[in-house]
Amino acid sequence: RKEVEQDPGPFNVPEGATVAFNCTYSNSASQSFFWYRQDCRKEPKLLMSVYSSGNEDGRFTAQLNRASQYISLLIRDSKLSDSATYLCVVNPRNTGKLIFGQGTTLQVKP
Amino acid sequence: EAQVTQNPRYLITVTGKKLTVTCSQNMNHEYMSWYRQDPGLGLRQIYYSMNVEVTDKGDVPEGYKVSRKEKRNFPLILESPSPNQTSLYFCASSLSSEGAYEQYFGPGTRLTVT
Repeated sequence: RKEVEQDPGPFNVPEGATVAFNCTYSNSASQSFFWYRQDCRKEPKLLMSVYSSGNEDGRFTAQLNRASQYISLLIRDSKLSDSATYLCVVNPRNTGKLIFGQGTTLQVKP
Repeated sequence: EAQVTQNPRYLITVTGKKLTVTCSQNMNHEYMSWYRQDPGLGLRQIYYSMNVEVTDKGDVPEGYKVSRKEKRNFPLILESPSPNQTSLYFCASSLSSEGAYEQYFGPGTRLTVT
């Protein structure tokens, strides 16, 4: 079993749609969780960290479910510019050694 | 401008010809890391460094070497490149090795080994 698993998609949604991605992790002792965004083979960039209480940044909401060992990313009112690959990232031992999921590709269509 | 730079951005080479990919950051970050990204496999860590003169293996270190003689630089060395090292390589840095800090990535180096 992979340490971090994501549905690769692609998710094809119309503009304005709400879309959710899930990511599961295998190490129950994992401490830190992130969502990164990667555009077309460019460098990944931090979208948001994921906190135990859940957190929101504009149209983006991230949640952590420790009991079921998954994190989620909800995007509301999708824009064309949201088209990208979203990488789930886990720091299983809080050492800075990050484990990346394969990424979920989102295509937002007009 | 705070950034991570990598050179070269693109490289085509032949099997067995030693090469070095440079990585430099200007943010005084302690932690630096190298990843490779391959279709269907995602980003995998090659080596990382928690500070000067401290390096450790990631998940796929075979065929690579690194050094961290100064804080800002973390070169990746391929002593004898092989075609299975054809990949997209990213260098990254963060303030600390503690997990909660954001990692900043360089623009990537696309390497082809023939």
